[in-house]
Amino acid sequence: LAKTTQPISMDSYEGQEVNITCSHNNIATNDYITWYQQFPSQGPRFIIQGYKTKVTNEVASLFIPADRKSSTLSLPRVSLSDTAVYYCLVGEGRDDKIIFGKGTRLHILP
Amino acid sequence: DAMVIQNPRYQVTQFGKPVTLSCSQTLNHNVMYWYQQKSSQAPKLLFHYYDKDFNNEADTPDNFQSRRPNTSFCFLDIRSPGLGDAAMYLCATSREHRDPTDYTFGSGTRLTVV
Repeated sequence: LAKTTQPISMDSYEGQEVNITCSHNNIATNDYITWYQQFPSQGPRFIIQGYKTKVTNEVASLFIPADRKSSTLSLPRVSLSDTAVYYCLVGEGRDDKIIFGKGTRLHILP
Repeated sequence: DAMVIQNPRYQVTQFGKPVTLSCSQTLNHNVMYWYQQKSSQAPKLLFHYYDKDFNNEADTPDNFQSRRPNTSFCFLDIRSPGLGDAAMYLCATSREHRDPTDYTFGSGTRLTVV
């Protein structure tokens, strides 16, 4: 499994766009990049996955540069309810489990 | 709605007294996982079942055991809880164990050891 590095915490304000960057310098050719979100006192939930370039869904966008050594999760116009921990995971999907890194604690302020 | 249900949401147990946490799923997923999450830390995988096959993580203490009597249920047994075992315990399921987009987590059981 490729090692990932994320900021420990971030603060932002309601209505802002938030970008969380994850570094994964040792990403392998077959690895996908997956992001999970965990609200306080709940289990994590999948939000987005990508391999290269850009992926967008109803929750977030994921930007992956050509060298794939990093990725950026983008949350448009955040609200207080986006306060959560965001985990970046890198793996080829052939592993028999997902292993969480330290994650980024995002705090949205009014 | 199909889901993963953990009972109870909060559990208090005495130091050294065995405790069992339960997880049930209506998703009919093949794989069930148990994670331990201590305060302000990431979830840590303890073990998982692929159908009836048990897979223990190398660093999971012997104090932690698991049972999966059928597809729907999985139990976490802590034989002699210590103060360091106080944590949120998360159950998760997936159809197959190779798709990180497919995990469904329960809301967890918060264990307090007194």
